[in-house]
Amino acid sequence: DVVLTQTPSTLSATIGQSVSISCRSSQSLLDSAGNTYLYWYLQRPGQSPQLLIYLVSNLGSGVPNRFSGSGSGTDFTLKISGVEAEDLGVYYCMQATHALTFGSGTKLEIK
Amino acid sequence: VQLVESGGGLVQPGKSLKLSCSASGFTFSSYGMHWIRQAPGKGLDWVAYISSSSGTVYADAVKGRFTISRDNAKNTLYLQLNSLKSEDTAIYYCASLRLATGYWGQGVMVTVSS
Repeated sequence: DVVLTQTPSTLSATIGQSVSISCRSSQSLLDSAGNTYLYWYLQRPGQSPQLLIYLVSNLGSGVPNRFSGSGSGTDFTLKISGVEAEDLGVYYCMQATHALTFGSGTKLEIK
Repeated sequence: VQLVESGGGLVQPGKSLKLSCSASGFTFSSYGMHWIRQAPGKGLDWVAYISSSSGTVYADAVKGRFTISRDNAKNTLYLQLNSLKSEDTAIYYCASLRLATGYWGQGVMVTVSS
């Protein structure tokens, strides 16, 4: 099974600060057709997860452009350029190249 | 798109429960569907998947105990949970995870306790 390792597990940021979250996979997420099915979700307190980024670097519908994704193969990063109060919650990476697995999550706290 | 789960509750270890997920706002029969769970205070854990043609895949932790199914005429997804264990206690979400979008229900709580 593919294991996704997210770091850090907790992140504390001030409003306006830029932060990054890492997601490392135990196997390459590049499939034979050249696609990389790596996604980023945000789960706000008491809510269901919502899609932020799809296919490594594509912004989901309605997602602010302060969010960006990058990476390839086994190493991926979510960056928030200028944290806002509404960004607090738990961020998960998810891969769908080899069945479906989630990272362990990164909790973003606002200082 | 709307996904609404139901059927959760408190159940004793070893017993069974059947969850439902009512879908609307899209052509249900055209899409694969997932069940994903989240234990209290924990992360997301994929449970099962059913394709549009009703092929199924399960996580090892539930294989042989849980059964995913669908009724396209009723636009409804199901999860039959048998031989429940305390570690199955979680919020269960149904989800339609597509190439560029992801739709999740609000979740339904299943508590396994004597």
